[in-house]
Formats: sequence, C-alpha cells, structure tokens
Amino acid sequence: GIQVEQSPPDLILQEGANSTLRCNFSDSVNNLQWFHQNPWGQLINLFYIPSGTKQNGRLSATTVATERYSLLYISSSQTTDSGVYFCAGGGSGTYKYIFGTGTRLKVLA
Amino acid sequence: DAGVIQSPRHEVTEMGQEVTLRCKPISGHNSLFWYRQTMMRGLELLIYFNNNVPIDDSGMPEDRFSAKMPNASFSTLKIQPSEPRDSAVYFCASSLGGFGNSPLHFGNGTRLTVT
Repeated sequence: GIQVEQSPPDLILQEGANSTLRCNFSDSVNNLQWFHQNPWGQLINLFYIPSGTKQNGRLSATTVATERYSLLYISSSQTTDSGVYFCAGGGSGTYKYIFGTGTRLKVLA
Repeated sequence: DAGVIQSPRHEVTEMGQEVTLRCKPISGHNSLFWYRQTMMRGLELLIYFNNNVPIDDSGMPEDRFSAKMPNASFSTLKIQPSEPRDSAVYFCASSLGGFGNSPLHFGNGTRLTVT
C-alpha cells in the first residue's frame, strides 16, 4: 500500500516565523488532505488538495501529484497554530486515506 | 451544518465491560469511516461504510469489535468485552462520495480508557 512520510517530525518556531511542512508519497495519490490536530485533539480540515495550490489566510498548500509530494506553508505563525499537522492520501478508486505520522509544531510566544 | 457528531466525548470503563460509541455523520454524506488513534500506531482505519453498507472491515482488530450503520444518520462501534489495550481515541469521519474523491470530515472523537 501507499506509504506516507512527513517531515520534519518536530518543529519549534518563534511567533511570527514562517515554516514549510512536507509530505511525500510512495505512489501516486488521487486524493490528498491536510489536517491540523489541535491540543484538544480535534482534527481540523485544512485543505483538500489532490493537485495545484490553494490558500486560506496565512496557510497555503501545494501538491505536485506527478512528483508525489505536497507542501503546507504556514506564514506569520501564531501560538494557536501549535499542534500536529497530518497529511493523508489515497490512490485512484480507493476510499482508504493513509495518514502520515504527522509534524508536531510548537509556536512560542 | 453541525458537522460529524460523536458521543460520548470520554468513556472510562473496566476491563470486560461492553462499550458503545456513537456517530452521526454530516447530513447527505454517504460514506462513513471509523478510525482509531494511538501513540504507537497513529491513525488507523477500522471500518468503512458506503450507503450504510460495510464495505471494508479489514481494519477491525478482533471479533470483539463490531460496527453497525442502521440508517444514513447513525452508526455505532461496539467493543465487547473491552480490554486495556483498546484504550485510544476513536474518531468517526464522513464524506460525500464513495471512493475518496471528496474530503473527510472528522468528529471530535471519543477518548476511551479501559482500566
């Protein structure tokens, strides 16, 4: 099955800094999502982005499906951005989203 | 929309007891998923329903686990008998569409502790 690797595993930032999180897939995926798991454990949808680029406020994401990776950009980070960021993807005709192990982000005030 | 609703938020039970977790998907979504999250194994898919029919239960760990979806707006995950190693956060998610061509929306999860 598809393997999902996320990097870096841990990240500590000062408030206001920018960061890039990466997600690599072992095989092509037709569906890709980014989630933020906040300190209360909630899994929040950030982007559904099988390909291309999307932006939502300070966050943006780019997926290059042909090269099997996706990037999540966080600009001007805030303490509320802390938590774990997961990417998940699935292959063509499959409902099985495979999750990466996440990037744990801590933003310091 | 109210989003995916799970209950209870927390459940503490003793080993050997039956546990029932509940989920109400987003109205109109025809796919429902149960996931389990642990530190050791991350997020694992337990079972997937499409149009109320179980399509894939290969992730269900043992016969002690069972899931039902009697109608489009309700699903249960039951563990009987429960064991300490079942302690985890159980998430329900729903999506519109059957083959991963639409985003997953997660509920807030049920944190299960089995003592």
